[in-house]
Amino acid sequence: GAGVSQSPRYKVTKRGQDVTLRCDPISSHATLYWYQQALGQGPEFLTYFNYEAQPDKSGLPSDRFSAERPEGSISTLTIQRTEQRDSAMYRCASSLSGFGTGELFFGEGSRLTVL
Amino acid sequence: DAKTTQPPSMDCAEGRAANLPCNHSTISGNEYVYWYRQIHSQGPQYIIHGLKNNETNEMASLIITEDRKSSTLILPHATLRDTAVYYCIGRPGGSEKLVFGKGTKLTVNP
Repeated sequence: GAGVSQSPRYKVTKRGQDVTLRCDPISSHATLYWYQQALGQGPEFLTYFNYEAQPDKSGLPSDRFSAERPEGSISTLTIQRTEQRDSAMYRCASSLSGFGTGELFFGEGSRLTVL
Repeated sequence: DAKTTQPPSMDCAEGRAANLPCNHSTISGNEYVYWYRQIHSQGPQYIIHGLKNNETNEMASLIITEDRKSSTLILPHATLRDTAVYYCIGRPGGSEKLVFGKGTKLTVNP
């Protein structure tokens, strides 16, 4: 696609429910990233993929968070048993090179509100 | 990864150059200096990056000191649309993990 597409743009859920967010990266981009951004803060790294491999998931806050990219293109971020502290903007980005020097292109984000 | 230090906020007059400083005194030899900006609630946008030499592109110039302990992002003719949070990031070569920090809130005034 022309840019990184994320859905849904807004999600309101009740505490304890599971939520899945989707990211469709720029076509042919090898590397895909997930970031979490709280209000007034900079984005915080969660995890990244090179194609379908997930070399670094050190930023995932707990085992309630998981991400997949099974065919090396579209990715999902799932949060199980959501808590109020999970409320944030979740941003996906993709990069062409995957060698640690490329420009990241960010999507518009998915804003999650946990009541 | 190098810790970067930026002023929390700056102001600039429209049409003037905006010079945004960043300290990265612990930067290692293979770490690049990256700049991104975030306008309002949009996703971060890449501006420029460099290793040792000064760099220029259509958006900005990046001046890195010889000892690489600090750098300055220059927007030569700031416009109102340049109002944003600007992030200076140290990124080791080969690392995919960008650590954003708090950035500098630049306000361009008419």
